[in-house]
Amino acid sequence: EIVMTQSPATLSVSPGERVTLSCRASQSVRSNLLAWYQQKPGQAPRLLIYGASTRATGIPARFSGSGSGTEFIFTISSLQSEDFAVYYCQQYNNWPLTFGGGTKVEIK
Amino acid sequence: EVLLVESGGGLIQPGGSLRLSCAASGFTVSSNYMTWVRQAPGKGLEWVSIIYSGDSVYYADSVKGRFTISRDNSKNTLYLQMNSLRPEDTAVYFCARTPPAELPYFDYWGQGTKVTVSS
Repeated sequence: EIVMTQSPATLSVSPGERVTLSCRASQSVRSNLLAWYQQKPGQAPRLLIYGASTRATGIPARFSGSGSGTEFIFTISSLQSEDFAVYYCQQYNNWPLTFGGGTKVEIK
Repeated sequence: EVLLVESGGGLIQPGGSLRLSCAASGFTVSSNYMTWVRQAPGKGLEWVSIIYSGDSVYYADSVKGRFTISRDNSKNTLYLQMNSLRPEDTAVYFCARTPPAELPYFDYWGQGTKVTVSS
């Protein structure tokens, strides 16, 4: 099983700031088979990024992903009020599919 | 428009059974990977099970032998039969789909159905 570790667990940020989240895999995720999701309270997750760096349909350009192998980064270039949420990474390289524990982005 | 609507959750005693349904519209469940993901109260996302081409299936170790995923193409509906339920199965269960011809990440999700296992 590939264990996905996200850091930090919580990030306190002011609107307009740049946000960088980390997702580390316990073994290499080939072909960058990694996705990022956003989840707000009481809502289903929303796909933001797949293939480590490809934005999903309708996702604003302020969201981006990068990385390869075991180290992946998710960036919000300028945090908007609607971006306060929990963010999860997910690998789809191996069974079982696994999610990271999430990073909560909260208002500073 | 793609839509997924789960139903079938509720309060069930330990050891009991429950069947969740996920009615799909705007696409055909037979053409996509279809998955169940759950979220325990206050916790993160946990992948549960997936079904894909030729009715191949995979399960998380935590539910293997107790849960069964299936789909009814005529009803365009995904199911999760949950037997021998345990308190640790308490969660909101989401169904989700993978885009056609893609590997399993999930672009559309249902709103979730809550399962509570308690005496």
